[in-house]
Amino acid sequence: AQSVTQLGSHVSVSEGALVLLRCNYSSSVPPYLFWYVQYPNQGLQLLLKYTSAATLVKGINGFEAEFKKSETSFHLTKPSAHMSDAAEYFCAVSMNSGYSTLTFGKGTMLLVSP
Amino acid sequence: EAGVAQSPRYKIIEKRQSVAFWCNPISGHATLYWYQQILGQGPKLLIQFQNNGVVDDSQLPKDRFSAERLKGVDSTLKIQPAKLEDSAVYLCASSLDRSGTDTQYFGPGTRLTVL
Repeated sequence: AQSVTQLGSHVSVSEGALVLLRCNYSSSVPPYLFWYVQYPNQGLQLLLKYTSAATLVKGINGFEAEFKKSETSFHLTKPSAHMSDAAEYFCAVSMNSGYSTLTFGKGTMLLVSP
Repeated sequence: EAGVAQSPRYKIIEKRQSVAFWCNPISGHATLYWYQQILGQGPKLLIQFQNNGVVDDSQLPKDRFSAERLKGVDSTLKIQPAKLEDSAVYLCASSLDRSGTDTQYFGPGTRLTVL
């Protein structure tokens, strides 16, 4: 079985501040990990994914995430927040074996203040 | 490249009525997914198709939900009869194949309100 825990349903930062969104996973086999972003009234858009290559993954819009097996974590970071980053962010996991479906966390709403 | 299309965008019905949602995936994508996203939660997979065959429907409430993907392209998801707890956003996604690494591309969703 696989699961994802996102710590903090809401995270507030000031424009220009560091963004850190936390994600911990549970998986019986080595996982694939994803971060998606959802803007209001829109579908989900892939930010980045970890698929067993480099542990530090760079994505779109200046976001990156680091896979840490020892901590079972895949936290999302961005050095400097922009107002346009305000959205809901979802971490998801799939199993590294054949085909697999995505299991999503509950999401973290990022609020950016001027 | 056109994205995943869904219609309608919004639907309001009364409980015990029926409703259907339509999805047109990205051209050439073999795998199609339907998710249910309840307010405050992440998307939950309802059903996954590979071409026109069902790969995973383990979380689909089959007593009231049904889905089909004719000719391996468009898909419809139906609820009959609807319950209050079915109020949610229904997301359709597609991917080139069903590998665990494939990126899933999501449509804008259909927001269903059951009164």
